[in-house]
Amino acid sequence: AQSVTQLDSHVSVSEGTPVLLRCNYSSSYSPSLFWYVQHPNKGLQLLLKYTSAATLVKGINGFEAEFKKSETSFHLTKPSAHMSDAAEYFCVVSAGANNLFFGTGTRLTVIP
Amino acid sequence: AAGVIQSPRHLIKEKRETATLKCYPIPRHDTVYWYQQGPGQDPQFLISFYEKMQSDKGSIPDRFSAQQFSDYHSELNMSSLELGDSALYFCASSRGLAGATTTDTQYFGPGTRLTVL
Repeated sequence: AQSVTQLDSHVSVSEGTPVLLRCNYSSSYSPSLFWYVQHPNKGLQLLLKYTSAATLVKGINGFEAEFKKSETSFHLTKPSAHMSDAAEYFCVVSAGANNLFFGTGTRLTVIP
Repeated sequence: AAGVIQSPRHLIKEKRETATLKCYPIPRHDTVYWYQQGPGQDPQFLISFYEKMQSDKGSIPDRFSAQQFSDYHSELNMSSLELGDSALYFCASSRGLAGATTTDTQYFGPGTRLTVL
């Protein structure tokens, strides 16, 4: 079975400071892991994905995530938050060519 | 680049009515997925199709049905609508391979917001 746990439902950071959104996964197989972002009243946009290649994955808009098998984690980071980063972020796992399992989401607030 | 297209973007229905949501995948994508996102909740997988055949089924109510057509577009049919069906319905597409061991990236459409009164 596959599942993800997003450890924080809400993260608040000041503009220009680092962002850390935490995600732990559980999977019976070698997982594919994704981070998607959802801006208010918008669709889901892929930030980055891990599929058993390099453990440090770089995505769009300066985000990156590191796959740590020993910790079963796939935390999302960004060195410097921008106001436009305020959104809901979903950590997602999939194993096999099937559906995605979403975490419950982390709402990122960026304080000016 | 072309993205996933969903129509309509907004739909208002009354209880016990029916609704049809449409999804047009990215060109050359042969797999379509449907997700339901209730207010304040994470998206939940409903059903998927690969090469016009149902490939996986999630928490889709029996009142709902879906199919994928020869041009790879998909329709989600919802009957006897209930208040609890009010949600954002996402369609995603990918280049799926039946029996593949890795997941190709799913690209999401903007969603259809269904409101049931």
